[in-house]
Amino acid sequence: EPEVTQTPSHQVTQMGQEVILRCVPISNHLYFYWYRQILGQKVEFLVSFYNNEISEKSEIFDDQFSVERPDGSNFTLKIRSTKLEDSAMYFCASSPDPTYEQYFGPGTRLTVT
Amino acid sequence: AQSVTQLDSQVPVFEEAPVELRCNYSSSVSVYLFWYVQYPNQGLQLLLKYLSGSTLVKGINGFEAEFNKSQTSFHLRKPSVHISDTAEYFCAVSDHGAQKLVFGQGTRLTINP
Repeated sequence: EPEVTQTPSHQVTQMGQEVILRCVPISNHLYFYWYRQILGQKVEFLVSFYNNEISEKSEIFDDQFSVERPDGSNFTLKIRSTKLEDSAMYFCASSPDPTYEQYFGPGTRLTVT
Repeated sequence: AQSVTQLDSQVPVFEEAPVELRCNYSSSVSVYLFWYVQYPNQGLQLLLKYLSGSTLVKGINGFEAEFNKSQTSFHLRKPSVHISDTAEYFCAVSDHGAQKLVFGQGTRLTINP
């Protein structure tokens, strides 16, 4: 069964450093998403992406964040200058259609020290 | 704005007992409703969804949920739980035509032998 994959599973970085979180969505899906879950809190929407552009973003997704689909298979989330409060589990998701279910990856745990 | 409230942060039950996990939502428009499960150290897996039609929705692993528009609820039920059902359960909502999911804070289901 096809699944969404994410790398790395755990990333530790120092405050102020740039990080890139990588996702490989399911191959025939067209809609891509990033969510995050700070420890002990709810899963929060960050951004949705379709047809090579952002279709919706939350207020969390400020200028420090960017997304890219560099090669037709990967979908990346970049944080330019990490802050302590960026420490969270980041989930990638994809779906074939916006009214369909979203398929989630296993997540990347980002720890900013 | 949409919001989702899961009324119980933790629910302990004995094996083979019935369980109900409660979810209420607020939205000014028609919605799609979802329940996701997160097993330890894994991503989010869809249990079931309500898009339209019958208000009683059956999902995987013997779970079902009922959409109640007048009470704006989408409670999850299982008539007899197993140890393997121990996990975190998330209720989520999306507006028709929107792409993002709005999640509740999650309910940790613990099954005792």
